[in-house]
Amino acid sequence: DSGVTQTPKHLITATGQRVTLRCSPRSGDLSVYWYQQSLDQGLQFLIHYYNGEERAKGNILERFSAQQFPDLHSELNLSSLELGDSALYFCASSVYARRRGSTDTQYFGPGTRLTVL
Amino acid sequence: QKEVEQDPGPLSVPEGAIVSLNCTYSNSAFQYFMWYRQYSRKGPELLMYTYSSGNKEDGRFTAQVDKSSKYISLFIRDSQPSDSATYLCAFLRGSNYKLTFGKGTLLTVNP
Repeated sequence: DSGVTQTPKHLITATGQRVTLRCSPRSGDLSVYWYQQSLDQGLQFLIHYYNGEERAKGNILERFSAQQFPDLHSELNLSSLELGDSALYFCASSVYARRRGSTDTQYFGPGTRLTVL
Repeated sequence: QKEVEQDPGPLSVPEGAIVSLNCTYSNSAFQYFMWYRQYSRKGPELLMYTYSSGNKEDGRFTAQVDKSSKYISLFIRDSQPSDSATYLCAFLRGSNYKLTFGKGTLLTVNP
């Protein structure tokens, strides 16, 4: 158990709908990252938040948005859903305090499996 | 040219075999080289990381980085059925925290 929690575990919805995925980071971690994992694209970085502020964006669609709240939990909002949005969505957290030669380990949650019908 | 290339397998070996997993990359800015293990229906977990070139050993696992060839490897000695999982190589630049992953190699260790 990584200490990162994600809800819900599974989500089935229809095209055109909007969903919200939730992530609670490990205690003490200030950074939250969202990744999308699909069979054809693999694990792709979407967005990074640190202590409530957006720090980096990957190939995140305009239909997708995220935020990190004062209690450090994060939500990923997916709107106008398409069939191709069906994937596993992972949240990861880290302390965000890297020193040269050591990495800031990202701990992944169990993921939310989104199915768009 | 893709930024990261990783053979998806699947790779099937008998218990006790030595397993070699590899990735090539094209981005010279990568400074941190990692291997994640992902069991079915679980999130990835960090196995090992290496900063810059060289070897690193942790129990039955050895990670190698050859920056001149842009090639990284993970060796698993005395493989066990519990090692059956997807292994993902991952890369970090020095300047940001965005992980770039390979697509993963599915490994099955047969008892």
